Amino acid sequence: DAGVIQSPRHEVTEMGQEVTLRCKPISGHNSLFWYRQTMMRGLELLIYFNNNVPIDDSGMPEDRFSAKMPNASFSTLKIQPSEPRDSAVYFCASSLGQGARETQYFGPGTRLLVL
Amino acid sequence: AQTVTQSQPEMSVQEAETVTLSCTYDTSESNYYLFWYKQPPSRQMILVIRQEAYKQQNATENRFSVNFQKAAKSFSLKISDSQLGDTAMYFCASNSGGSNYKLTFGKGTLLTVNP
Repeated sequence: DAGVIQSPRHEVTEMGQEVTLRCKPISGHNSLFWYRQTMMRGLELLIYFNNNVPIDDSGMPEDRFSAKMPNASFSTLKIQPSEPRDSAVYFCASSLGQGARETQYFGPGTRLLVL
Repeated sequence: AQTVTQSQPEMSVQEAETVTLSCTYDTSESNYYLFWYKQPPSRQMILVIRQEAYKQQNATENRFSVNFQKAAKSFSLKISDSQLGDTAMYFCASNSGGSNYKLTFGKGTLLTVNP
């Protein structure tokens, strides 16, 4: 089975531009997570969806970040406008169900560089 | 709040030897889950092994095993017969059980396997 798919794998953009990151979870998984990884802060949960509904967006850094999950097989994370401090690796992960017992499986990540 | 501490920023081991990576955590919950993820240079986050806190038996996955000491809140990872492909950053993570899906990650240990 295919794992979590993310695109693009690398993105270089200029400050002020809109950036859209995409994720396709593992088929049948109904929980989806967006994480950000930086050297300074490590791995941080940005937002969590269950059954396509945002459950917890307390990790979203500010209004410039937004995430959607229009259906069970697709999610986007958008940054508008982007800033250099948004440079990081963004991971999407999915799990079969909700709750602590479910293992989260990660995608390959999108490395974002904002100049 | 949960905390996960990995006290060894870097470690190295010779190929075919055994190495143990340390992890301690702090939680007030009685049941929770612990994970080790591997992040090779490709940046992909790969699940190595998981442990359910209510299970006494230590989890094993081929060459990977854990030493789970619940009273000491310790969760170390042992890699036997180290291979060059084991070179990666290793992250210890935990959640607080029940409906709490949030993973708290340690800062990571960079393991280098030398030929």
